[in-house]
Amino acid sequence: EVLLVQSGAEVKKPGESLKISCEASGYTLTNYWIAWVRQMPGKGLEWMGIIYPGGSNIIYNPSFQGHVTFSADKSINTAYLQWASLTASDTAMYYCAKTIAASGYSWLDSWGPGTLVTVSS
Amino acid sequence: IALTQSPATLSLSPGERATLSCRASESLRTSLAWYQQKPGQAPRLLIYDASNRATGIPARFSGSGSGTDFTLIISSLEPEDSAVYYCQQRSISVTFGQGTRLEIK
Repeated sequence: EVLLVQSGAEVKKPGESLKISCEASGYTLTNYWIAWVRQMPGKGLEWMGIIYPGGSNIIYNPSFQGHVTFSADKSINTAYLQWASLTASDTAMYYCAKTIAASGYSWLDSWGPGTLVTVSS
Repeated sequence: IALTQSPATLSLSPGERATLSCRASESLRTSLAWYQQKPGQAPRLLIYDASNRATGIPARFSGSGSGTDFTLIISSLEPEDSAVYYCQQRSISVTFGQGTRLEIK
């Protein structure tokens, strides 16, 4: 069974850094892309971009490029999303999701439960 | 590519048929998927490539369309179908529609 386990909720102050994780099991992390999706409170889904852990290929949505960084450690089947300096507008639920196929722009067939990030002074 | 979903909200009774629409700003051929998101849960893939049901999705969910106009039909509503439904395109990068909230009376 494919399972994506995300790290727990975080409460941070503006300007702080943060790295959240997404651990995959039940499949080979390096065979599929991992997407990150943001959902701000009461709002819809926003595709942030994708990372291919097998080759560290990364594609960012231009709306997020420069503000977030994707990475992965294939030795522990884990993908990461990080911020160097958080702002209040980063307050949201962040989901990782696995692509259904080996192509990057693909459907997302397994999702993690989400990590809630709250940024407040 | 922008995706526009309609209606914004739909309120129907159990057993009724729900028709949800997703319109793209340019042709997607059949590069469209539908997701269901229940309160407090992650989204779940329902339909991909416009009309293929994902693994484990009941047959009452069906998708159709091509080009710019797509439809998700839930043939006989059940109480657990209450959720927000999103369409997603992958023809050029990836974008989601704004969602349709389906309420079961």
